[in-house]
Amino acid sequence: DAGVTQSPTHLIKTRGQHVTLRCSPISGHKSVSWYQQVLGQGPQFIFQYYEKEERGRGNFPDRFSARQFPNYSSELNVNALLLGDSALYLCASSEQGSYGYTFGSGTRLTVV
Amino acid sequence: AQSVAQPEDQVNVAEGNPLTVKCTYSVSGNPYLFWYVQYPNRGLQFLLKYITGDNLVKGSYGFEAEFNKSQTSFHLKKPSALVSDSALYFCAVRDEDYKYIFGTGTRLKVLA
Repeated sequence: DAGVTQSPTHLIKTRGQHVTLRCSPISGHKSVSWYQQVLGQGPQFIFQYYEKEERGRGNFPDRFSARQFPNYSSELNVNALLLGDSALYLCASSEQGSYGYTFGSGTRLTVV
Repeated sequence: AQSVAQPEDQVNVAEGNPLTVKCTYSVSGNPYLFWYVQYPNRGLQFLLKYITGDNLVKGSYGFEAEFNKSQTSFHLKKPSALVSDSALYFCAVRDEDYKYIFGTGTRLKVLA
């Protein structure tokens, strides 16, 4: 079985640009969550989606947005990139009612 | 608000010796606690969880954790450390909205 897959694995963007990160959950998982992990820190919650609806949002500015598609894959969009957005972005999926997440390997975003 | 604390930035242990990585938590209601491990440039890998039941939880790769309600702790342990256990370890609590709140991480270094 494929795990949680994220693309791209790495990318470099310039300040002010826009970026889209993609995540495919484990087959059968309907919940997808996004986390930001800045170097040297623990992951911080950004969004959670279930059945294509936003179920939770962390303390992030409106430059961050996300959506979930009918096949349960998800995109995270970040507008007007800042240097401080440089981080590892992690996607996690879970089954409804499950107590655990499965994380992808992440997308390493560098903003220069 | 739910939170977890990992008081040690780094733990060093000799190969073959027992290891402990500490975590304390603060929650309202029943705690749902987790340990994850992260290898360089990788996502998070699930080790174990406490939801209810026995206070000693056994997980992957020979790790276990002891839930102590009176001390609000959930320390990660392994009887005999391996060099390959060297990684970054995160404790997390799941809040009432199903998102994870992570600690700041503890870097474990196992010395040959």
